[in-house]
Amino acid sequence: SQTIHQWPATLVQPVGSPLSLECTVEGTSNPNLYWYRQAAGRGLQLLFYSVGIGQISSEVPQNLSASRPQDRQFILSSKKLLLSDSGFYLCAWKSGANTGELFFGEGSRLTVL
Amino acid sequence: AQSVTQPDIHITVSEGASLELRCNYSYGATPYLFWYVQSPGQGLQLLLKYFSGDTLVQGIKGFEAEFKRSQSSFNLRKPSVHWSDAAEYFCAVGRDGGFKTIFGAGTRLFVKA
Repeated sequence: SQTIHQWPATLVQPVGSPLSLECTVEGTSNPNLYWYRQAAGRGLQLLFYSVGIGQISSEVPQNLSASRPQDRQFILSSKKLLLSDSGFYLCAWKSGANTGELFFGEGSRLTVL
Repeated sequence: AQSVTQPDIHITVSEGASLELRCNYSYGATPYLFWYVQSPGQGLQLLLKYFSGDTLVQGIKGFEAEFKRSQSSFNLRKPSVHWSDAAEYFCAVGRDGGFKTIFGAGTRLFVKA
């Protein structure tokens, strides 16, 4: 069966420090991968998506970047965190079928101080 | 642009009472519609989805939703709420052929004894 893992689960970082959140998927190949950010009362905002290794599309310009070095690995990064980067970050995958559901990881809670 | 509106930020219902969570979407073509549920600090789980066919869709945990094109709505219902249903509920629409999923702001459900 397919599983998705995110880490770390919780992170507290000072302003200006770097960030790396990692997401891996098991049990499937060539998934579409997604990073969402969830802020209180604002639902889920799609940040990045990827249809294959090295292929990244950004939905909103911001202080973050994403990479996909392997088929089932998706990384969210920042060189210098801002206070506004605080939030709950969710990784998700979907099979190639356009009508398929998203499968979410457990999330990573980032607090920037 | 495609969007999803959940007009109720939070709703409180008594255990055993019926539930209806509202969702309105803005989309030019036949939409792919979803309802997801999120327990505190967790990822999201799919409750049900609609792509075509019967406009009344059955999901997991006793939930159902009805697609009404004339009202651009996809409301979620449950005839009798259980305390374990307390969570946040997100309506979502598939965009770009379902490749991307756009979420509403969510409705938090509180269940009182």
